[in-house]
Amino acid sequence: GEDVEQSLFLSVREGDSSVINCTYTDSSSTYLYWYKQEPGAGLQLLTYIFSNMDMKQDQRLTVLLNKKDKHLSLRIADTQTGDSAIYFCAGVTGANNLFFGTGTRLTVIP
Amino acid sequence: DGGITQSPKYLFRKEGQNVTLSCEQNLNHDAMYWYRQDPGQGLRLIYYSQIVNDFQKGDIAEGYSVSREKKESFPLTVTSAQKNPTAFYLCASSIGPINIGEAFFGQGTRLTVV
Repeated sequence: GEDVEQSLFLSVREGDSSVINCTYTDSSSTYLYWYKQEPGAGLQLLTYIFSNMDMKQDQRLTVLLNKKDKHLSLRIADTQTGDSAIYFCAGVTGANNLFFGTGTRLTVIP
Repeated sequence: DGGITQSPKYLFRKEGQNVTLSCEQNLNHDAMYWYRQDPGQGLRLIYYSQIVNDFQKGDIAEGYSVSREKKESFPLTVTSAQKNPTAFYLCASSIGPINIGEAFFGQGTRLTVV
């Protein structure tokens, strides 16, 4: 089965950059995703990257993909208190279902 | 407004009772999913349905059952056979196979066994 690892916690100061990392074992996923979960709520798709890309930038978000090392990262520039949430990386299984990482709880300190 | 709705938001159940969680979507999506979320474990797939009247077991289906009689609805029953049912349950839907589109999530139902 798929195994996706993330650090459980990350704290940053407001205005700094945040980098959330993800390592995975199954490299067959066509897309890789980053989802955001605010407290007591469902998940919201933040961004995604196609597996043949190395980088994707979307306003304050930068996604980096290193397929050789099976490493995905999400950088949030100028982190704000509203960015405090749990962030999940996700890929797609052979059965067309999402598999999720353990989630990283980002805390932004004012 | 289109969306996916889970109800209730909070649910309490006595041990030995079955309970059904509701999930409704008006996005005209073919596929629907149920996930369970526990702290530090991410989301685990319970059941999924790619089309009406068809559903498949996910990674942790034991103690759960589903039905998909209508495109809009995918209720999840947590049976008394589920050994540790206290968790946050998330329902999701997608227009088709996940690899060509995003999944939309409901707001979740927190189930507590008392």
